[in-house]
Amino acid sequence: QLVLTQSPSASASLGASVNLTCTLSSGRSSYAIAWHQQQPEKGPRYLMKLNSDGSHSKGDGIPDRFSGSSSGTERYLTISSLQSEDEADYYCQTWGTGPNWVFGGGTKLTVL
Amino acid sequence: QVQLVESGGGVVQPGRFLRLSCAASGFTFSTYAMHWVRQAPGKGLEWVAVISYDGSETYYADSVKGRFTVSRDNSKNTLYLQMNSLKPEDTAVYYCAKDRVTWDLWDAFDMWGQGTMVTVSS
Repeated sequence: QLVLTQSPSASASLGASVNLTCTLSSGRSSYAIAWHQQQPEKGPRYLMKLNSDGSHSKGDGIPDRFSGSSSGTERYLTISSLQSEDEADYYCQTWGTGPNWVFGGGTKLTVL
Repeated sequence: QVQLVESGGGVVQPGRFLRLSCAASGFTFSTYAMHWVRQAPGKGLEWVAVISYDGSETYYADSVKGRFTVSRDNSKNTLYLQMNSLKPEDTAVYYCAKDRVTWDLWDAFDMWGQGTMVTVSS
């Protein structure tokens, strides 16, 4: 079964960096994912597609402060130089045979 | 400017029906698969349905299979979601989303609409 696991919450200080993690279910280490940001009371916004080799393709206008990396079944979103507007929910998404499109439960990021 | 605008949401009684629309602009709509995703109040995102670029393939989440139908009119750059036999648990904001690459169903969603709220309640 294709499942994505995210920590429910994370926090970091203004100007600092934070790593958010998305874990694919066992045996899915070759899967790509996407990261999406959802600010309060807004629709989601595509951040990037992240491949298993760590290469990524960012959406239009996404700042360089957002980057991604991969290791095994773990997919990471790193946000550096945190700003107040980065306070949001972050969702990972993947897709596969089944057919199936799956979201993680989301991580609520608080900027202190 | 790439844009997706949903409409058609509202309050409906259980067992009734509703049709959502998603108007697309700023890209060649007929070459991209399109998805519907929903978000219940205070909850996370749930994929609902997908339709291929030409409408020849459709897939649904188990929670809506047999009740919801996704369709598209490429001449009008519009995506639809026909929702029948609505249940209270279908209450959510419904978003349409565009696939990242042309012709393919199997990729990330790279554009989202602002959503339309559907409330199923007596």
